Amino acid sequence: DTGVSQNPRHKITKRGQNVTFRCDPISEHNRLYWYRQTLGQGPEFLTYFQNEAQLEKSRLLSDRFSAERPKGSFSTLEIQRTEQGDSAMYLCASSANGMRSAKLFFGSGTQLSVL
Amino acid sequence: AQKVTQAQTEISVVEKEDVTLDCVYETRDTTYYLFWYKQPPSGELVFLIRRNSFDEQNEISGRYSWNFQKSTSSFNFTITASQVVDSAVYFCALSEDANDYKLSFGAGTTVTVRA
Repeated sequence: DTGVSQNPRHKITKRGQNVTFRCDPISEHNRLYWYRQTLGQGPEFLTYFQNEAQLEKSRLLSDRFSAERPKGSFSTLEIQRTEQGDSAMYLCASSANGMRSAKLFFGSGTQLSVL
Repeated sequence: AQKVTQAQTEISVVEKEDVTLDCVYETRDTTYYLFWYKQPPSGELVFLIRRNSFDEQNEISGRYSWNFQKSTSSFNFTITASQVVDSAVYFCALSEDANDYKLSFGAGTTVTVRA
């Protein structure tokens, strides 16, 4: 059973460029979450999917951010026109349905640095 | 308003000492879940424990134990006989929706265990 996989592990970009991150959840998990974590803080919820449907978006997710999960498997998070304030660790997590499965499995994250 | 408060920023102990991490939460829901996650230097959040709001029984699992007090909205976590490998950032988290498992995290407590 492989865990949640995120690529790339690190991304350095210049302000104004677009970046895209990928997340591959645990294969049988139908729920997928994106979080953002800045230095010294806990992760903050961005958005989540159940299968291919995006069910909730945080107000932290500005118009420059878009997330997709086209076939209910992997997901991508794109940030357009990056700003220095976007520098953070972007974490992906997945979970199965059901109360017994009420816990998230996290990937190792993508560390974004915007210069 | 912050939903999860971890007042301790850093704790440093010598190996074999016990470590207790404090967590206070805020919610209006009657049914909710509380979690502790560990984030080692590698960055991946690792699930440790989960408690349901309707079950206040405190338990011990190996070197981990927790004290859930609904009356004071606290969910404290103890590592007994700490080891160097326990050095990490520990996050307390709250899920208020039994359906989406969206987590609100505290700011984390950095635990350093010295040999």
